[in-house]
Order: sequence, then structure tokens, then C-alpha cells
Amino acid sequence: GAVVSQHPSWVICKSGTSVKIECRSLDFQATTMFWYRQFPKQSLMLMATSNEGSKATYEQGVEKDKFLINHASLTLSTLTVTSAHPEDSSFYICSGQGNYEQYFGPGTRLTVT
Amino acid sequence: QKEVEQNSGPLSVPEGAIASLNCTYSDRGSQSFFWYRQYSGKSPELIMFIYSNGDKEDGRFTAQLNKASQYVSLLIRDSQPSDSATYLCAVSPGGSQGNLIFGKGTKLSVKP
Repeated sequence: GAVVSQHPSWVICKSGTSVKIECRSLDFQATTMFWYRQFPKQSLMLMATSNEGSKATYEQGVEKDKFLINHASLTLSTLTVTSAHPEDSSFYICSGQGNYEQYFGPGTRLTVT
Repeated sequence: QKEVEQNSGPLSVPEGAIASLNCTYSDRGSQSFFWYRQYSGKSPELIMFIYSNGDKEDGRFTAQLNKASQYVSLLIRDSQPSDSATYLCAVSPGGSQGNLIFGKGTKLSVKP
């Protein structure tokens, strides 16, 4: 199957700082990438859909000014959590779209202290 | 509201048995159906996808789709302890461009 990488795999930051997470499709070109968030013992929650070269589409309730998404190339999308707060602590997972299926990155565990 | 429903479990089966995981969806126009496996603390891994009514087999896994009943299932034969994970059903709604709607997942436990 297709491979998607994420960096970093985990990060601890102080409240008020910003954190950038990178998502790369390694062996395929992902015109569309998705960003999810997963809290403990809960299902995946789609945050936004990112299309290469255009603005991301955010799900209802997700603040676009807080979660900045950039999809500058067919293999790279980034999510920046700005002015992070403890309630932003979560498991952030990206995926790249194949034909119809999605291939997930390994996830980034963010802890905001 | 387009929904995907799964029994949260846990579903416990003995090693070597068949595990049956079920999923229903609300959008009758849904086109594509996926099963993902997620180990604790890890991201989901695609196991199978199915587009047409009927059965699709891949090794120990069989996906079954019944669009009339809006029902999709995953059978795992000869279950192994390493199959213990949460299984997520995902559906691509009709007219979507790749967005998936995920169920909350069924936790499977295979006892040695």
C-alpha cells in the first residue's frame, strides 16, 4: 500500500506556542490530504480537507485561524497549531487520498503543557 | 446527517474462531466501503475495501456488502491474538470527493 509519513511523531510544547506538523506522501502523489484529530478512546474526527494549491476546507467547529493548513505540493501538507492550549493535546493524523481509499500517516501526539 | 454505526464492543472471540464485525450506514447513495484496523496508540491501517454487493476475500479477511440493507461486514477467519485491535468501518458518501465517514469502531479481543 501507499506510504504516508508524519513528522514529528510526538511533540511537547508550552501553552501559547505554535507547533507545525508535516505530512508527506512518500510513494504517491496526494492531490487531497485530510487532517484528523483523535482524543483518547474516541473515533477519528475530520478537521479539514486539504487540496494541493488551494485553501483547505474546514469542518464545522474547527477554527481555521487556529489550525493553519498548507498544501504546497502534491506530496506535502502541513498543519500548524497556533497558540496551542492544553485542550489541543491530542493525536493528530493525516491521510493522503489514493483512488478512493485513504492512507494514513503514523500520527503525531501533541501534548501542550 | 450521514452516519456510520458500529457496535463498540468489546467483541471477544477465542483464538482460531471467526470474528464477525458489522457496520450500517445511513446514506443510501454511498459508493465505497472500507475497513481499517487501529492498534492502540497507532493510526488506522487499511485492511480492505469493497465497492460491489457480495463478498470480497483477501487472505483471512472477507468483506461483505449489502447495499439494499445498507450493511457491510468484516469476517476474520482463524482469529489470532495479533488481530486484537479496534476495527473502523468507513464509508464514502455518494457524491463525495474522497471524504470518508468513520464509525466509532469495534474493539476486538482475541483470547489465546
